[in-house]
Amino acid sequence: DQQVKQNSPSLSVQEGRISILNCDYTNSMFDYFLWYKKYPAEGPTFLISISSIKDKNEDGRFTVFLNKSAKHLSLHIVPSQPGDSAVYFCAASAQIQGAQKLVFGQGTRLTINP
Amino acid sequence: GAGVSQTPSNKVTEKGKYVELRCDPISGHTALYWYRQSLGQGPEFLIYFQGTGAADDSGLPNDRFFAVRPEGSVSTLKIQRTERGDSAVYLCASSFSPWDEQFFGPGTRLTVL
Repeated sequence: DQQVKQNSPSLSVQEGRISILNCDYTNSMFDYFLWYKKYPAEGPTFLISISSIKDKNEDGRFTVFLNKSAKHLSLHIVPSQPGDSAVYFCAASAQIQGAQKLVFGQGTRLTINP
Repeated sequence: GAGVSQTPSNKVTEKGKYVELRCDPISGHTALYWYRQSLGQGPEFLIYFQGTGAADDSGLPNDRFFAVRPEGSVSTLKIQRTERGDSAVYLCASSFSPWDEQFFGPGTRLTVL
């Protein structure tokens, strides 16, 4: 059972436009959510996170939105840059089930076209 | 280097053989994690160490998999009687404390022929 789902395997966006990556989860115990970025032959790199007590967190060009009632989160990147081309993973954890145990989605490959 | 390092970067073995994968965490990080990433999937949690002890090994798929961290720093993931389905990228991560950001290494790509 896939507790964290990223239904879009790939996304192509023009440079300068907004990129929106989506993620859905099923486990209502999840209370902390993260986005990781991964380049080929490298490990995932932490990008941004959000606690379930918030519905938005912003860091520069990156904003994560959380809709708990819909069990949905999204990552907005604006403006998109060529260096943003990578695979993006959303991840979730539940403090009561072991906050250290991240559950990842399948990833979305983002391509930024010049 | 200041990051998490993993050796070897690639490992090819034959079905039934034993393999060891090594992880050197960031100095001073007390928490260490192993994940497995199969093709087209996200990383899947295997085991988490706090210090020398395995605090959560609920993700280990079966008893062929075992991990140790004897001195609270370097960790070794051991796989006995490898099967073709064990082929994946094995990722190690570390964090300063269990509540902090996890920093990932580049992974070891294991191929079982």
